[in-house]
Amino acid sequence: GAVVSQHPSWVICKSGTSVKIECRSLDFQATTMFWYRQFPKQSLMLMATSNEGSKATYEQGVEKDKFLINHASLTLSTLTVTSAHPEDSSFYICSASLGPQETQYFGPGTRLLVL
Amino acid sequence: ILNVEQSPQSLHVQEGDSTNFTCSFPSSNFYALHWYRWETAKSPEALFVMTLNGDEKKKGRISATLNTKEGYSYLYIKGSQPEDSATYLCAFLARDNYGQNFVFGPGTRLSVLP
Repeated sequence: GAVVSQHPSWVICKSGTSVKIECRSLDFQATTMFWYRQFPKQSLMLMATSNEGSKATYEQGVEKDKFLINHASLTLSTLTVTSAHPEDSSFYICSASLGPQETQYFGPGTRLLVL
Repeated sequence: ILNVEQSPQSLHVQEGDSTNFTCSFPSSNFYALHWYRWETAKSPEALFVMTLNGDEKKKGRISATLNTKEGYSYLYIKGSQPEDSATYLCAFLARDNYGQNFVFGPGTRLSVLP
């Protein structure tokens, strides 16, 4: 299957700092990328859907000024958690696909801990 | 808010047993149903994307069926092997005039004992 990488895999930061997570599709051009968050013992929660070259569509309850998403190319999307706080500590995972309803190829995830 | 449920929450079976689990989703505005398999410390891996009522898909020992009218999908594993141990997630994609929603179920955690 297609390969999607995520960087970093782990990040620990102080409260108030911003953290950028990169999601790359390595061997295909992803028209659509998705960003998910997983709370402990819960399922994946879709945060936003981004299409290359356009603004991300955020799910209800997700602050777009808090979680900045940029999908500047067909192989790269970034999620920036701005002014992170301990409640933002979570597992963030991205996926890439050829279209919003197509198979999604997932990255390995990024575990964020905000102290 | 769309509600996608999966049952059972977890399952332990012996190697060689066949097993199945369920994904339940709203029957309105159906667009697609995805199945993914997520092994610990790995990325979720796509199994099936199903779009038509009555769809049946097969990949090796794993197969899935879809009933969009009643809002459920079954995933079957024939002759379970220890390497099948993983969390199996379904994801429901709804689409209407206002846009689309993609919601994952909570998953079924399968453990296959040798």
